[in-house]
Amino acid sequence: QVQLAESGGGVVQPGRSLRVACAASGFSFSSYGMHWVRQAPGKGLEWVAVISYDGTNKYYADSVRGRFTISRDNSKNTLNLEMNSLGAEDTAVYYCAKEKSAELFIFDYWGQGILVTVSS
Amino acid sequence: DIQMTQSPSSLSASVGDRVTITCRASQSVSNYLNWYRQKPGKAPQLLIYAASDLQSGVPSRFSGSGSGTDFTLTISSLQPGDFATYYCQQSYSSPLTFGGGTKVEIK
Repeated sequence: QVQLAESGGGVVQPGRSLRVACAASGFSFSSYGMHWVRQAPGKGLEWVAVISYDGTNKYYADSVRGRFTISRDNSKNTLNLEMNSLGAEDTAVYYCAKEKSAELFIFDYWGQGILVTVSS
Repeated sequence: DIQMTQSPSSLSASVGDRVTITCRASQSVSNYLNWYRQKPGKAPQLLIYAASDLQSGVPSRFSGSGSGTDFTLTISSLQPGDFATYYCQQSYSSPLTFGGGTKVEIK
């Protein structure tokens, strides 16, 4: 069965960097686009970034463009999110999500989420 | 960016009730509209995609309708596990955007 497991969260000081990862299993990872979606405490869902199945196309939310970088390693079935210049507004649970099918931008499977807290 | 507005933001209902949640887009998204249910402390779960298609494994009491800018999620008979927050999401264009959520609470 499809499984997505995030890792790498924690507490980080403002202005610093953090990398979160998502380990995928149970499906052909290299065939699907992958996304990061976040949720600030007590708030709604915010889409963060997408990477195409082969890593050639990447798109970002305005709120993170230029600070966050999405990447993937299809040989290791791993999705990554490198976050730089973090601010309090980036505090959230970060979910990785799989596309239902190519470029449909529908999230059919989600990880359990990983909490990133930006605080001094 | 396409803004998604859900109403109501919260509602109270009883087990067995019929519940309707609406979602309005700031511009046409055709049928590129999806619905998710999120239980407390859990990841969202896809319920409906392409406005009206039921995701595999989702009970038939969930249904979706609409096109263009106005959409509806209906739960025909509310079950205990349906007390949760529901989100619509447009997949028409980037940036992908979600509605603010509708919290369904026990009356």
